[in-house]
Amino acid sequence: DTEVTQTPKHLVMGMTNKKSLKCEQHMGHRAMYWYKQKAKKPPELMFVYSYEKLSINESVPSRFSPECPNSSLLNLHLHALQPEDSALYLCASSQDKTQSRQYFGPGTRLTVT
Amino acid sequence: SQQGEEDPQALSIQEGENATMNCSYKTSINNLQWYRQNSGRGLVHLILIRSNEREKHSGRLRVTLDTSKKSSSLLITASRAADTASYFCATDEAYGRQLTFGSGTQLTVLP
Repeated sequence: DTEVTQTPKHLVMGMTNKKSLKCEQHMGHRAMYWYKQKAKKPPELMFVYSYEKLSINESVPSRFSPECPNSSLLNLHLHALQPEDSALYLCASSQDKTQSRQYFGPGTRLTVT
Repeated sequence: SQQGEEDPQALSIQEGENATMNCSYKTSINNLQWYRQNSGRGLVHLILIRSNEREKHSGRLRVTLDTSKKSSSLLITASRAADTASYFCATDEAYGRQLTFGSGTQLTVLP
């Protein structure tokens, strides 16, 4: 199984809502990543988890809160988002942090109203 | 942060023609990768070339790397309509381990 899955595929939320994005992989990978991608732009790294511990936080606002409950799951909790946070949120995994080839999920298209 | 630039930003060709995309980067790297992204979807890994390699082939793909010029090119031969997508280069910096993506090239292959 070389697949990274993400749910939901689409999410519309108001600025006062709390929601979560979920990501799952069963490749035994020990590094997982969250990226944010705006239209016609490259992905921008948000967070890196290595062996279930937060390794990198690229100065992301606290309204985004990552969580790695176990080695297969990665969540991104969203609270009090702004319309400019609307984007495609991509999850990825790699064998570990030293292996740079990453496997991406299909993304969650988030719209903040 | 964005490592480098890709050119052209957009490329439109006829089916059967070759497509060449270029990527420039700024720092020393361990390797360089190319990814493809269909509209609104996740990225798919195409090929990885290490800093000590100069050329690599995979099916209809040919990648070159010139570390002295800090540049790479991706050639897709005999293009097909299904190759229509955005193509991103991504570098793995020598002193960091996260990928940094180039600005991307939008390729359109007309049937």
